[in-house]
Amino acid sequence: GQQLNQSPQSMFIQEGEDVSMNCTSSSIFNTWLWYKQDPGEGPVLLIALYKAGELTSNGRLTAQFGITRKDSFLNISASIPSDVGIYFCAGQLGRSQGNLIFGKGTKLSVKP
Amino acid sequence: DSGVTQTPKHLITATGQRVTLRCSPRSGDLSVYWYQQSLDQGLQFLIQYYNGEERAKGNILERFSAQQFPDLHSELNLSSLELGDSALYFCASSVLGWGAYNEQFFGPGTRLTVL
Repeated sequence: GQQLNQSPQSMFIQEGEDVSMNCTSSSIFNTWLWYKQDPGEGPVLLIALYKAGELTSNGRLTAQFGITRKDSFLNISASIPSDVGIYFCAGQLGRSQGNLIFGKGTKLSVKP
Repeated sequence: DSGVTQTPKHLITATGQRVTLRCSPRSGDLSVYWYQQSLDQGLQFLIQYYNGEERAKGNILERFSAQQFPDLHSELNLSSLELGDSALYFCASSVLGWGAYNEQFFGPGTRLTVL
């Protein structure tokens, strides 16, 4: 089936550093979403992107919908310990399809 | 709190058994999705219901079935359980289920352990 390539798989950073992660696909996506999952919890929606080239921020988080519609990135600025978790990108292939295709996740560890 | 509720939180059962997972969507959402999360496969879409009708199917095994009731809650039934069915099962909901702005909100999940 369809897959999203998410990288990096894991990151170990110092508190205060900026973080960048991305997702790529061979298919064109209609919507890109970024989620964060804490251990034992469900994914929490962080940012939703709907148009190619769109750049959207949510506090210290910024995400962009790639111009080719085949990629997206998420940046976290000035990381803090509570940013720890697994970040997933997810895409919706077409407007008639509701289900999401997920990347494998980026595990973020922040050292105080 | 996403507004999506799932019960039970944990389920431990034996191979060959059958279990039912329950989900209540956010108020006003008509679509319910079921996803399976395992270590090796990540988050995989299983099935979607919209206003009581099945709308899309993903990688759902024939041993698994689901339904959405008139009050819009949904149940995922897993039968003839195998060790490999051990995973986290998430329910998500959205207002419609297609189109733009189809943001999905996830419940806390049910952790299924098959022994």
